[in-house]
Amino acid sequence: AQSVTQLDSQVPVFEEAPVELRCNYSSSVSVYLFWYVQYPNQGLQLLLKYLSGSTLVKGINGFEAEFNKSQTSFHLRKPSVHISDTAEYFCAVTHFTGGFKTIFGAGTRLFVKA
Amino acid sequence: GAVVSQHPSWVICKSGTSVKIECRSLDFQATTMFWYRQFPKQSLMLMATSNEGSKATYEQGVEKDKFLINHASLTLSTLTVTSAHPEDSSFYICSARDPGSSSEAFFGQGTRLTVV
Repeated sequence: AQSVTQLDSQVPVFEEAPVELRCNYSSSVSVYLFWYVQYPNQGLQLLLKYLSGSTLVKGINGFEAEFNKSQTSFHLRKPSVHISDTAEYFCAVTHFTGGFKTIFGAGTRLFVKA
Repeated sequence: GAVVSQHPSWVICKSGTSVKIECRSLDFQATTMFWYRQFPKQSLMLMATSNEGSKATYEQGVEKDKFLINHASLTLSTLTVTSAHPEDSSFYICSARDPGSSSEAFFGQGTRLTVV
């Protein structure tokens, strides 16, 4: 079965500290990988995506992620977080078969403290 | 990137009434659209996949008679919540797949449905 696992439901971190939000997936076919951010009572905003090519992907707001095929991971990182980064972060996987459905992880709540 | 517009952004309705939510792809033709539901503080759960000109495919546990999906054109899919009840209150998000853009899906801004 195809699935997406976000290993941390909540990540508290101090402002200007680095952060890593973890994401692992399982799939028997090729995938596209995404990270989205959702602020309270708002829709999804795409942070970055991996479709092909370089495994290190840079996104908006200083975020980056690295696709590791052998470990089936796509962890999100930022070297220095801001208070404004406090939000819910979702890892998502689109599978090449089954109609290109996009499946979401459970989400990680990033809480940046002053 | 491609733009997907969802309307309305929020709606309040009375129990027993039906509500229609529209999802439009503004600058591309979407052969496939997806509908998701998000409960408070939870993730997005795929409800159904709609293909233009054919019946929608529903995920396990989703009542197709409750959540009617129509995808009559390449730029519009609608989700109708029939005989809505308070437990149907949720955040509904659509996405549309752009075949011309590496098959990436683009998301609407979501619709907050409150049934009173």
